[in-house]
Amino acid sequence: DIQMTQSPSSLSASVGDRVTITCRASQSIRNYLNWYQQKPGKAPQLLIHAASTLQSGVPSRFSGSGSGTDFTLTIGSLQPEDSATYYCQQSDDNPPDTFGGGTKVEIK
Amino acid sequence: EVQLVESGGGLVQPGGSLRLSCAASGFPFTNYWMTWVRQAPGKGLQGVASINPDGTKKHYVDSVKGRFTISRDNAKNSLYLQMNSLRDEDTSVYYCARRRGIRYSSGWSHSFDMWGQGTMVTVSS
Repeated sequence: DIQMTQSPSSLSASVGDRVTITCRASQSIRNYLNWYQQKPGKAPQLLIHAASTLQSGVPSRFSGSGSGTDFTLTIGSLQPEDSATYYCQQSDDNPPDTFGGGTKVEIK
Repeated sequence: EVQLVESGGGLVQPGGSLRLSCAASGFPFTNYWMTWVRQAPGKGLQGVASINPDGTKKHYVDSVKGRFTISRDNAKNSLYLQMNSLRDEDTSVYYCARRRGIRYSSGWSHSFDMWGQGTMVTVSS
């Protein structure tokens, strides 16, 4: 099974900061990597699919990059509403697909 | 309205059973793989079981194999999860999610583009 490791597990940043979250796969997953945002008490929402494609309706300050085993989610200018937990998820292996452990983003 | 609505959660004793349902509306249910994803209190997300559009292919995470069964009724636009021999560690919010596939030159990219609101399952004596 493919394991997904996210770092950091949490971070605190100020409004306007550039924030970067990384996700590493235990083996190559090509570009089959997705990112989700989850706010407390809510279901996750898809932000980015296929490593770098922004889901419809998602603000352009979110971007994704990477391929193979190393991936990055970047928030270009952190906004108060971006306070949430972010998860990566791979879909190169057989379902059910595996998720990273999550990164909690807090606003200073 | 395009939505997924779960039901069937509740409190059950260890060793007991529970059946979750997910009602889909507003999209062609028969075109999509569907997945149950769970989240233990304060923890991350875990894919539990997935089923292909016609119900002939099913995949499970190792920890639920032999105990959980995923199924679907396309005539009713519904997804199910039969959970038997429940354990304390099965306590979670269970979400149903639509697994969307997009074809690229290198293959298919799948992502969960629609989620239900979740239903809580608590296993406790």
